[in-house]
Amino acid sequence: DGGITQSPKYLFRKEGQNVTLSCEQNLNHDAMYWYRQDPGQGLRLIYYSQIVNDFQKGDIAEGYSVSREKKESFPLTVTSAQKNPTAFYLCASSLGARANTEAFFGQGTRLTVV
Amino acid sequence: QKEVEQDPGPLSVPEGAIVSLNCTYSNSAFQYFMWYRQYSRKGPELLMYTYSSGNKEDGRFTAQVDKSSKYISLFIRDSQPSDSATYLCAVQGGSEKLVFGKGTKLTVNP
Repeated sequence: DGGITQSPKYLFRKEGQNVTLSCEQNLNHDAMYWYRQDPGQGLRLIYYSQIVNDFQKGDIAEGYSVSREKKESFPLTVTSAQKNPTAFYLCASSLGARANTEAFFGQGTRLTVV
Repeated sequence: QKEVEQDPGPLSVPEGAIVSLNCTYSNSAFQYFMWYRQYSRKGPELLMYTYSSGNKEDGRFTAQVDKSSKYISLFIRDSQPSDSATYLCAVQGGSEKLVFGKGTKLTVNP
């Protein structure tokens, strides 16, 4: 089945640690996105990538980093510089980087700082 | 002014009711309008997609766009408990990035 796979589903991080969230897609999509979802905040864009080896900051990129070495993979690292990382993180992909392309979402990773 | 405004609710209705969900947007450059449905602890899934003003119907769901007033709506007829979810509107334009509303949490009571 084609789709987007995020792992792990739940992740716990100690204060001061970096953690990496995985996102893999087998839809042959060019564009991939990372969103953060907090209660009452909707979806906020962290980073997006329109092509391999290229990515752009979204609205809330501070404290996060990404890489796009392969078309299928777009991992997100939550660094210790992110002051409030507890949230639900969603990865998405779309066919192209132009408008009028449906975004498909993974099932999310819930990150909790302990 | 936020690009997309959506009343977060929550909204609670009895089974069989007609549900109306609404968003307003500020940028007239937005051309594509979407509604996503998100069940608890899951990723959003595309429910309806429209381009330009007018109505689009799919079963019990109708999406409506009024570009003159920058207003988009989703109507659910004969609502079912399985419709209980958070509904997110999204708009897209020349920037190519989707802009989401905050989502409205809907509960349909049997």
